[in-house]
Amino acid sequence: GAGVSQTPSNKVTEKGKYVELRCDPISGHTALYWYRQSLGQGPEFLIYFQGTGAADDSGLPNDRFFAVRPEGSVSTLKIQRTERGDSAVYLCASGSADARGTQYFGPGTRLTVL
Amino acid sequence: QQQVKQSPQSLIVQKGGISIINCAYENTAFDYFPWYQQFPGKGPALLIAIRPDVSEKKEGRFTISFNKSAKQFSLHIMDSQPGDSATYFCAASMRNFGNEKLTFGTGTRLTIIP
Repeated sequence: GAGVSQTPSNKVTEKGKYVELRCDPISGHTALYWYRQSLGQGPEFLIYFQGTGAADDSGLPNDRFFAVRPEGSVSTLKIQRTERGDSAVYLCASGSADARGTQYFGPGTRLTVL
Repeated sequence: QQQVKQSPQSLIVQKGGISIINCAYENTAFDYFPWYQQFPGKGPALLIAIRPDVSEKKEGRFTISFNKSAKQFSLHIMDSQPGDSATYFCAASMRNFGNEKLTFGTGTRLTIIP
């Protein structure tokens, strides 16, 4: 079956621009997580969705970052007024309530802010 | 505050040898400890995971050893192969109303040489 997919795979933007990153989780997975991975580092948690609601957004670095999951499936991470420090790989993971703890990661979107 | 510390940062092992990567955690509320394998340009993939009620878990060539009192756990890769060359991340999580966000270590770049 299909795994987690993310689009685009690469995004280059200019400082100050707005970007949207999309995540298609595994069908039926109710839990969805966004992480950010900087070069040479482990992924860092950004936000967690259970169904349609953002149950934990404690990892979002500031109010320029926002994420939605309106129908409980696809999620979009939105970054306003991008800064060069936002450059990283943004990873999405999904999980099933039946398989406690197991998260399946997508390939990520590499964001470069010039 | 780094809640999961991982070492070494890089590791070179001869083919057929044993690769050992260590992690230490601080938060005693963590109750799930996975290891992820990541190849360049790909998302992390779950390799093996353990819960604190057991001291060891083995799956094929991969073994996790867990020491609850020392708050440490390690990954052993037996008979290491060139295809094992990748970056390995330890992680930890605790379940909080379905939220199992992962806290990752900083990663170990493993290289298996012929």
